[in-house]
Amino acid sequence: SQQGEEDPQALSIQEGENATMNCSYKTSINNLQWYRQNSGRGLVHLILIRSNEREKHSGRLRVTLDTSKKSSSLLITASRAADTASYFCATDAGGGADGLTFGKGTHLIIQP
Amino acid sequence: DAGVIQSPRHEVTEMGQEVTLRCKPISGHNSLFWYRQTMMRGLELLIYFNNNVPIDDSGMPEDRFSAKMPNASFSTLKIQPSEPRDSAVYFCASSSVTGRGEIQFGAGSRLTVL
Repeated sequence: SQQGEEDPQALSIQEGENATMNCSYKTSINNLQWYRQNSGRGLVHLILIRSNEREKHSGRLRVTLDTSKKSSSLLITASRAADTASYFCATDAGGGADGLTFGKGTHLIIQP
Repeated sequence: DAGVIQSPRHEVTEMGQEVTLRCKPISGHNSLFWYRQTMMRGLELLIYFNNNVPIDDSGMPEDRFSAKMPNASFSTLKIQPSEPRDSAVYFCASSSVTGRGEIQFGAGSRLTVL
């Protein structure tokens, strides 16, 4: 079964708006990562947040982690058409060497 | 660095045929992963290697699937015989155990079994 579950499954917003995606997971983690996948491409790493961190920023991305609720959110501010993609959260209990467990993703569509 | 390189990018074959997917990980990375992606099941970890040694193959669906890593720069995923339900995109990914934990993916091999 999937460790991470993203919510919503699909999201469509206007360019310039903020996009928020959520991820819930079931077991204790070492870190949580977010990846982006453009259509027909492989996944690209966006940001990693460790279990002892609560918030992290990278450019227009903001990730939060609440280990008590076993949930994370990814916020993309000032969205652009190029942000259209699927976004996946992935949990890691083994420090990266043991593979990541991915959710099914949120498909984000930015309307120009 | 060219990133993780996979071949072929697309493969169309008939049921019963043998399929071999190839992967060249990023130089210096000592962990290699094979994932399968389908609409129904999402991304599934099939098997991973650390320092060329298979560590966990519990995700391999059945005996028709096998994976090898003869050296640090090459891995194969073989399906024999292939079935239509094996149709999916197969991703190879690699990471460094001394890194931050992020995994770098190849572009994937799209397999269609008729």
